[in-house]
Order: sequence, then structure tokens, then C-alpha cells
Amino acid sequence: DAKTTQPPSMDCAEGRAANLPCNHSTISGNEYVYWYRQIHSQGPQYIIHGLKNNETNEMASLIITEDRKSSTLILPHATLRDTAVYYCIVRTNNAGNMLTFGGGTRLMVKP
Amino acid sequence: NAGVMQNPRHLVRRRGQEARLRCSPMKGHSHVYWYRQLPEEGLKFMVYLQKENIIDESGMPKERFSAEFPKEGPSILRIQQVVRGDSAAYFCASSPTGVETQYFGPGTRLLVL
Repeated sequence: DAKTTQPPSMDCAEGRAANLPCNHSTISGNEYVYWYRQIHSQGPQYIIHGLKNNETNEMASLIITEDRKSSTLILPHATLRDTAVYYCIVRTNNAGNMLTFGGGTRLMVKP
Repeated sequence: NAGVMQNPRHLVRRRGQEARLRCSPMKGHSHVYWYRQLPEEGLKFMVYLQKENIIDESGMPKERFSAEFPKEGPSILRIQQVVRGDSAAYFCASSPTGVETQYFGPGTRLLVL
């Protein structure tokens, strides 16, 4: 699977949009971009994933550049409960393909 | 629809004892993955199982660790003769098939004294 690069930490003011970037310049055509987050001491929580098109669900939006070499996860109105480590993961959807977690971005939402 | 269940949530063992960690996947999911998170580190894949089959155990330590997913009942991760270095959070994830999104349980925190 392609490797991803994320900033180690970011701050965001409560109520503002949090934009978390991810670089995946070696992504191949059949690899999806997945986002998970891990709130302290809890299991990773699935957020969203996409292949080419931008995606939106009740939690977040995922913007993937046209060349697919980078993406941005957007939390439109961050709350204190969104403070977590956010992981951007690239994987194929072949059978059994495990998730490879990097260091992620530690997002701190501040009042 | 209940999520992935793991028990116990916390487990304390003395060196040399056995640890058994259980994972019940989401309803309708027949694929289970185990991951380990050592203190202050990221999650690392250990093993991938379908019902009654180990599909990929490339991340499992060569000794003392085993996993199963029987036809009936939860998946079990078994650690024999635990050592202090086994202290970690162990997470399982499940998916309906091997290609779908994986959903994680709350984890079991193992402490070896």
C-alpha cells in the first residue's frame, strides 16, 4: 500500500472547520483513501473513505485532488469531542487487505 | 446493531500466565482482524481470520501468540507465557467481507506485572 504523510499535530478553534491534510503521492489507481480517528484510549473510529470523487457523510467531508496525490479531511464545525489522532490510510480493497497506520495528526480542538 | 464487542476490557496477568482476549464481530461480519498498539505507538496489524480459517498471520509474533475464529463463538487471541513487553492495547476489527470497511472494537488493555 502507498505511504501517507500527515502533519504530527494541529490546533483548531471550537466551532471552526478543521482541515486535515494528507499526502499520498505514490497512490495507485486501485487504492482508496481511508480516514479513521482514535479518541484517547478508545478503538479507532471509521470516518470516511473515497477513491476519486469527493465524499461527504454526517461526520466529515473528504476532498481528493484530481491527481489523487493528496487529500483533505474536513470537519465542518469542530467540537471539543473531535480532539483525537486522525489517521489517513491508503489501501486497496482486495480481500484481506489490512490497515497500515502511520503516526497520524493529533488534532487539538480548543475552546 | 451492536458494534464490535471485545472482552475483557482490561486484563491483568503476571509474567508466565496465559491471556485470552475475545472479539465478537458485528452482526453479519465474518472477517476479523487483530491489531496491537504498544504504549505511545501506532496500531500494528497482527492477524486476519475468517470463520475457521487464518488467512494472514504475517504480523503475529512467531512464538506464544495464536488466534482462532471458530464456526460458533467469538474470535480468540491467545498469548501464552506473557511477558512485560506484551502489555499493550489489543484491538479487533470486523468487516462483512474482506474488502469492506473495517470497524473496530473498544479494545482490551493487557497489563503484565
